[in-house]
Amino acid sequence: QKEVEQDPGPLSVPEGAIVSLNCTYSNSAFQYFMWYRQYSRKGPELLMYTYSSGNKEDGRFTAQVDKSSKYISLFIRDSQPSDSATYLCAMKSGNEKLTFGTGTRLTIIP
Amino acid sequence: DTAVSQTPKYLVTQMGNDKSIKCEQNLGHDTMYWYKQDSKKFLKIMFSYNNKELIINETVPNRFSPKSPDKAHLNLHINSLELGDSAVYFCASSQARQGQAFFGQGTRLTVV
Repeated sequence: QKEVEQDPGPLSVPEGAIVSLNCTYSNSAFQYFMWYRQYSRKGPELLMYTYSSGNKEDGRFTAQVDKSSKYISLFIRDSQPSDSATYLCAMKSGNEKLTFGTGTRLTIIP
Repeated sequence: DTAVSQTPKYLVTQMGNDKSIKCEQNLGHDTMYWYKQDSKKFLKIMFSYNNKELIINETVPNRFSPKSPDKAHLNLHINSLELGDSAVYFCASSQARQGQAFFGQGTRLTVV
C-alpha cells in the first residue's frame, strides 16, 4: 500500500461546478498537508498549506484535513478553465521528506 | 525574478554521457531538494540538503551525485546516463525542513 493514495483521474467537470479532490494516507505521523497545482510542462505551484486538522480557505479554494480518517480534500468553487491542471497532494511529518500523491488530472470544460 | 531557477530546461543526451543540472534559489531558504517526476507524473524525492549538509538520500543509484557549494545552490551531476534516467527533474527549496517547498520549472532530461 502506498503511503499516500490519490485518484489519478482524469476528472472533467463543466465550468462553474464545484470540484472535490481527495487523498488518503496511512502514516498517522503526517502533520503538514499541502496541495500543489501543476500545469503542463511547468513546476508544481503551492496552492494550500495546512497544519494538523481543520479547514483553510483562500479565495475559491478550501482545504480540509481530517486526521482521524487520514483524509484530506481540496475544494474548488466556481471552477474556471484556467483551473485545468494536475493537482498533487503532499504531506510530511516534522523534518521528514515531503511525500506526494500521484496527482489528479483535472479539466474544466467551458 | 524567478525564485527557484534550474538550468538547462531541456537536456537531450546519449546513453553513457555525464551531465549536470544546476539549481539556484533567491528566497534565502536553507533547505534544497532534488525530485524526479516520472512519465506518470509521480514526484519522488531524491536528495535534500540543509545548510549545505546532505540530510535525505533516498535509494538513488550512486551515478547521481548532488553538490551544494552554498545554501543558495544545489547541483545534480549524473554519470553514465541510462535510458531509464529520462524524466523531469525538479529542484525545490524551503525554509527549514518543515517549511513550504517551492519548486523550479524543471529540467526535462531525455536519454537516447
